[in-house]
Amino acid sequence: KQEVTQIPAALSVPEGENLVLNCSFTDSAIYNLQWFRQDPGKGLTSLLLIQSSQREQTSGRLNASLDKSSGRSTLYIAASQPGDSATYLCAVGKAAGNKLTFGGGTRVLVKP
Amino acid sequence: NAGVTQTPKFQVLKTGQSMTLQCAQDMNHNSMYWYRQDPGMGLRLIYYSASEGTTDKGEVPNGYNVSRLNKREFSLRLESAAPSQTSVYFCASTPRGSSYNEQFFGPGTRLTVL
Repeated sequence: KQEVTQIPAALSVPEGENLVLNCSFTDSAIYNLQWFRQDPGKGLTSLLLIQSSQREQTSGRLNASLDKSSGRSTLYIAASQPGDSATYLCAVGKAAGNKLTFGGGTRVLVKP
Repeated sequence: NAGVTQTPKFQVLKTGQSMTLQCAQDMNHNSMYWYRQDPGMGLRLIYYSASEGTTDKGEVPNGYNVSRLNKREFSLRLESAAPSQTSVYFCASTPRGSSYNEQFFGPGTRLTVL
């Protein structure tokens, strides 16, 4: 059974510092990996989707890497801003139907 | 486009009561999903529908039923609510259940069962 872990559960950084968020998974036979942002009391917003054949994806200040063999993905957010404060979730997609298995999330606070 | 919409936003039930959570998407997506989110446990898949007319169980289907009414709508029913079903419920959709397609989520329904 696939298990997805995100450590640490919470993170606090000063504004301007780069954020590094980790995601690990136990079964490397994945279809894709997706990073989401969730604001308090809100739904999930997709940030990046990495196919199993890809090593990384970039969007603006965000960069996500994928190392299937070691079962890890890392989300980098450059030059963090207070508006980046949110919970970040990773999810791996496997098997027909692209069903997702989620990690528990990392709650990020960027202090002005 | 409204994207994925869910009703109601909040609901309080007593143990044993029944209710249906509604989900609709206007993106012409084929696949739809129901997840629940509990503190410290991330999101877990309850049911999904790969296409209109098909449904299948996810990780935690017990106590729930679903209906894919048409391509747009996918409802989740609790026949006899239990306190363990207190959670936030999210509906999601994707163009098709392909690894190339990201999933889009609704705003969630916050359910409390007393």
